[in-house]
Amino acid sequence: ETGVTQSPTHLIKTRGQQVTLRCSSQSGHNTVSWYQQALGQGPQFIFQYYREEENGRGNFPPRFSGLQFPNYSSELNVNALELDDSALYLCASSFPRLGLTDTQYFGPGTRLTVL
Amino acid sequence: TQLLEQSPQFLSIQEGENLTVYCNSSSVFSSLQWYRQEPGEGPVLLVTVVTGGEVKKLKRLTFQFGDARKDSSLHITAAQPGDTGLYLCAGEETSGSRLTFGEGTQLTVNP
Repeated sequence: ETGVTQSPTHLIKTRGQQVTLRCSSQSGHNTVSWYQQALGQGPQFIFQYYREEENGRGNFPPRFSGLQFPNYSSELNVNALELDDSALYLCASSFPRLGLTDTQYFGPGTRLTVL
Repeated sequence: TQLLEQSPQFLSIQEGENLTVYCNSSSVFSSLQWYRQEPGEGPVLLVTVVTGGEVKKLKRLTFQFGDARKDSSLHITAAQPGDTGLYLCAGEETSGSRLTFGEGTQLTVNP
């Protein structure tokens, strides 16, 4: 059983550019959540995908968008990058079941630096 | 928007000392989770508490969920340098939903 993987590990972009981050969920998991973690802070929820549909969104502008594919892997796209977008982007996968506590398993993250 | 306040933000102690980290909210969560994160890695789940008043022990770590399910604490006994890391609490509003994280407690245990 493979864990959650993310690519790339590190990325450097300039303001105004666009970026795509990728996440492969843990085997058997159908839900992917994305979080942004600025330096020295806790992760902030961006959005969640369940069976290829967006299933909740945090307080992030529309230039943050995502996709989930039939194999439950996911992409996070950020357009018109700003300096404040520099952060560690975390992907977490899970298999929520009604009435039971969900456990989200996190990948190692992608460190994005915007210059 | 549900918020979690974590304290202290930074903690530097000597090996062998005890410590407690607090996680407080004005909102009720269906469950509360504690994670530990190393530099350059994603958070790793330590424990999930679900029932008000619940106490869970993981070796030298003791986790408690408040009776009203709004607050939690993590107590470490006889801390070791290997306990160094960022400790995060996270609340789950409903099963399968987003996690709301606290700001984290950066723990440094000096040998």
